[in-house]
Amino acid sequence: KNEVEQSPQNLTAQEGEFITINCSYSVGISALHWLQQHPGGGIVSLFMLSSGKKKHGRLIATINIQEKHSSLHITASHPRDSAVYICAVTGNQFYFGTGTSLTVIP
Amino acid sequence: NAGVMQNPRHLVRRRGQEARLRCSPMKGHSHVYWYRQLPEEGLKFMVYLQKENIIDESGMPKERFSAEFPKEGPSILRIQQVVRGDSAAYFCASSPRERGVSPLHFGNGTRLTVT
Repeated sequence: KNEVEQSPQNLTAQEGEFITINCSYSVGISALHWLQQHPGGGIVSLFMLSSGKKKHGRLIATINIQEKHSSLHITASHPRDSAVYICAVTGNQFYFGTGTSLTVIP
Repeated sequence: NAGVMQNPRHLVRRRGQEARLRCSPMKGHSHVYWYRQLPEEGLKFMVYLQKENIIDESGMPKERFSAEFPKEGPSILRIQQVVRGDSAAYFCASSPRERGVSPLHFGNGTRLTVT
């Protein structure tokens, strides 16, 4: 079993839809990261969370420490949001989820 | 303020050769992390370094791989006697403080192909 599990693995949405990507982890952490990776491209850090909720533009990230669960929400999705979204946790070690591949169709 | 710079972007090596991957962290960042992404797989942590010190190398293969972050200059990930299984994208990230305290800033990666 992976230390970090993401769902869904793949997601296709129509432009404008509200999107949720989930992340569950099984280890003790000091922080959780949401990352974005475009095809063939680099990695961008979207959020670092240790509690509560953060918002940046159309992106919202939440974390529930007791339930060891985090969600990434995208409001009013756009084709340029198409990318792989990766959840990662920092504790004694660094663990990554396998990513959620998002495609937003115009 | 330049971001994390990795070079080369693409590197081709024959089996048995050495590969050297360089990472210049963002200005003011003294913590560097290396990650590997194998084809069709997720990211995996390799090593965490602070200037002149290896803090955590629990993700590094036991043989052929080494990393350094000297007082001056970029961090170097060195792979000796490369094999086809080393073909992957290698990403570097940096932060101003220790992991779990400050966000990470990633480079664009080096894509290593071993022929």
